Amino acid sequence: EIVLTQSPATLSLSPGERATLSCRASQSVSSYLVWYQQKPGQAPRLLIYDASNRATGIPARFSGSGSGTDFTLTISSLEPEDFAVYYCQQRSNWPPITFGQGTRLEIK
Amino acid sequence: QVQLVESGGGVVQPGRSLRLSCAASGFTFSTYAIHWVRQAPGKGLEWVAVMSSDGNNEYYADSVKGRFTISRDNSKNTLFLQLNSLRADDTAVYYCARDATIGWPRGYFDYWGQGTLVTVSS
Repeated sequence: EIVLTQSPATLSLSPGERATLSCRASQSVSSYLVWYQQKPGQAPRLLIYDASNRATGIPARFSGSGSGTDFTLTISSLEPEDFAVYYCQQRSNWPPITFGQGTRLEIK
Repeated sequence: QVQLVESGGGVVQPGRSLRLSCAASGFTFSTYAIHWVRQAPGKGLEWVAVMSSDGNNEYYADSVKGRFTISRDNSKNTLFLQLNSLRADDTAVYYCARDATIGWPRGYFDYWGQGTLVTVSS
């Protein structure tokens, strides 16, 4: 089973700042890494698939990069609605599909 | 628009059973694999199971294998999850989620339902 480790656990930033979230895999997942956003009381929302492809309707301020074992989700300039929990997920070697433990992005 | 609506959650005693449903609309249900993903209170996401679009293939997380069974009725646009031998650590919100690609599942999710809460407690 591929283990995904996200860092930091919590990130405190202000609107307008740049956010950088990391996800590290226990073995290579090639580019098969996905990012989701989840707000309280809501289902997750697909943001990025296959490391760097924005899903339909996702603003351009969200971008993903990386390959192999190290991946990054970048939010170029935080909007108030971006404060949420972000999860990475691998689809390289499944089942099982595995998720990281999440990064909470909170307002500073 | 694509909609997935879960139902069937509730409070159940350890060792008992429950059946969850996921009603789909707004897309051709029979062409997509559908997954179950769960989230324990205050915790992260855990993939549970998937059924292929034609219902001929199913896969499970080790934590539920042998206790949970996924099935679907393409004539009724509905996915099911039978939960047997429930344990306290099965307590979670259970989401159904559509695989993002038509045909064989690629293993990520483009639409999710709102979830149904299963609480296992005596």
